[in-house]
Amino acid sequence: EAGVTQFPSHSVIEKGQTVTLRCDPISGHDNLYWYRRVMGKEIKFLLHFVKESKQDESGMPNNRFLAERTGGTYSTLKVQPAELEDSGVYFCASSLTGSGEKLFFGSGTQLSVL
Amino acid sequence: DAKTTQPPSMDCAEGRAANLPCNHSTISGNEYVYWYRQIHSQGPQYIIHGLKNNETNEMASLIITEDRKSSTLILPHATLRDTAVYYCIAPSWGNTDKLIFGTGTRLQVFP
Repeated sequence: EAGVTQFPSHSVIEKGQTVTLRCDPISGHDNLYWYRRVMGKEIKFLLHFVKESKQDESGMPNNRFLAERTGGTYSTLKVQPAELEDSGVYFCASSLTGSGEKLFFGSGTQLSVL
Repeated sequence: DAKTTQPPSMDCAEGRAANLPCNHSTISGNEYVYWYRQIHSQGPQYIIHGLKNNETNEMASLIITEDRKSSTLILPHATLRDTAVYYCIAPSWGNTDKLIFGTGTRLQVFP
């Protein structure tokens, strides 16, 4: 069984540019999450999808971040325009039924904004 | 979510048991204890969770004190590949997927 897949593994962009991160959850997992660790800080929750609907987006830092999950399968996280403080590792996770279930994490996308 | 406290780092000899403590003195009745770990350059990995009974799976054992104010994650035979940061998390029911990772314990397994 394939795990959670994230693409790209690394991205280097200049301040002001746009970057789109992609996450493919484990097949059949309705719940999809985005987390991130920025600049040596702790891993923080960003948002949670149930199928194609945003269940909780309380962790999204500002309106430069846009997450989508069209069709309830893969998800994208777009940062536009990127700022220096957005640099970090962005993790995607999925789970089968949500609350109470363990989360399966991808290996993350290392984003560097120069 | 209950606040958890873990030592910042620990060492363990390969082949020996690694016992990682966690204090969660403010935990309430509906809050589980979850353990995840992050091996360098990988995403967090679920290890085990429990409410009040001790739990064991193929990766580890979780011992929760009777008053539930603390717990210990046990890796029975640590290997070099167990070197990682271990996170003890006590989310409230309904927040078990909105995890608060904290700083964790950095476990170094040495030969």
